[in-house]
Amino acid sequence: EAQVTQNPRYLITVTGKKLTVTCSQNMNHEYMSWYRQDPGLGLRQIYYSMNVEVTDKGDVPEGYKVSRKEKRNFPLILESPSPNQTSLYFCASSFSRGYGYTFGSGTRLTVV
Amino acid sequence: AQSVTQLDSQVPVFEEAPVELRCNYSSSVSVYLFWYVQYPNQGLQLLLKYLSGSTLVKGINGFEAEFNKSQTSFHLRKPSVHISDTAEYFCAVSDPGNQGGKLIFGQGTELSVKP
Repeated sequence: EAQVTQNPRYLITVTGKKLTVTCSQNMNHEYMSWYRQDPGLGLRQIYYSMNVEVTDKGDVPEGYKVSRKEKRNFPLILESPSPNQTSLYFCASSFSRGYGYTFGSGTRLTVV
Repeated sequence: AQSVTQLDSQVPVFEEAPVELRCNYSSSVSVYLFWYVQYPNQGLQLLLKYLSGSTLVKGINGFEAEFNKSQTSFHLRKPSVHISDTAEYFCAVSDPGNQGGKLIFGQGTELSVKP
């Protein structure tokens, strides 16, 4: 089944403890992206990648890192999480710019 | 900068009634347009998209949308809704020239279908 898989689905962590949210797609998509969803602010892009080793900032990149060493994987790294990063995170992938993104099921992160 | 406005934050409707979810976008240049649906505790699922060509776009689950360039609108419609259509719906726009294919989302419309 074609899908974007994120792990974990739920995560509660403490301020400052480094964490990684994994994302993998099995559709051989070139484009991958991370979004966060917050009440009242909607969905905002954090980072995106157009291909292996090609990444760039979205609208809200502060406090996040990403890497794209393989085409299928696009992990999101929070080096020192803070409470304002408590959010619902979505990884997404796309065949091309106009194709529309396929989204993962989301990771609900709580930083205390 | 582009923006997307979904004119109704909540739309209650009875089962088997028609529904229209309204979406307006700000850009007057060429854009790609999308509608996504989000069921509780799930990710977003693509309902339909407009890239070019026919202004009436048909999607999954019986939904359709009409692109109106002069009114910069992309309203979503369904002639007869089911209880299972209860979800949040997001309109999104993308600039074809944007390198990362970034989607700009509206704030979402909660569709509540009542028996």
